[in-house]
Amino acid sequence: GAGVSQSPSNKVTEKGKDVELRCDPISGHTALYWYRQSLGQGLEFLIYFQGNSAPDKSGLPSDRFSAERTGESVSTLTIQRTQQEDSAVYLCASSSGSGQGYEQYFGPGTRLTVT
Amino acid sequence: AQSVTQLDSHVSVSEGTPVLLRCNYSSSYSPSLFWYVQHPNKGLQLLLKYTSAATLVKGINGFEAEFKKSETSFHLTKPSAHMSDAAEYFCAVRMDTGRRALTFGSGTRLQVQP
Repeated sequence: GAGVSQSPSNKVTEKGKDVELRCDPISGHTALYWYRQSLGQGLEFLIYFQGNSAPDKSGLPSDRFSAERTGESVSTLTIQRTQQEDSAVYLCASSSGSGQGYEQYFGPGTRLTVT
Repeated sequence: AQSVTQLDSHVSVSEGTPVLLRCNYSSSYSPSLFWYVQHPNKGLQLLLKYTSAATLVKGINGFEAEFKKSETSFHLTKPSAHMSDAAEYFCAVRMDTGRRALTFGSGTRLQVQP
């Protein structure tokens, strides 16, 4: 079956522009996570969606970052007024639940470069 | 609070020799622990996971890890390295409550010499 997909695979943008990153989770997965992988910070959690519950935004680094998810489908991560420090690989993961036994399946990531 | 420490940023082995990648964790409760592998320009792939069942966990591609509570360790091993094992390896612990997000270590780059 299809895994987690992300688009675009690469994005180059100018400082100050807004960008949208898309994640298509595995069908039926209720939990969706966004992580960021950067040279200086390693892999860090950004935001978590579980079904129709309010998202956990505690990992978002600033108010320039936001994310949406409609039901249990596609999610979009938006970064406004991009800065050079936003350059990183943004990874999306989905899971069929959030209990102890549920593993997260990762997409290939979107490499964002802010020039 | 939870944290993960990967003790080696880089490990180099010869093909056919054993692999040991070290991971120590800190968690307030019984943790769930994971090892992921990332090949260049690829996403993360789960190698194995520990979720309070057997302490010796077998994963894909011949990897295994042993959960040692007394040592707060979850080291990854493989008896015989293959060239295709060259990649970045991440140990992760999952939060005990709430969002179940993963907290990752800083990664260990495994190099396999012919």
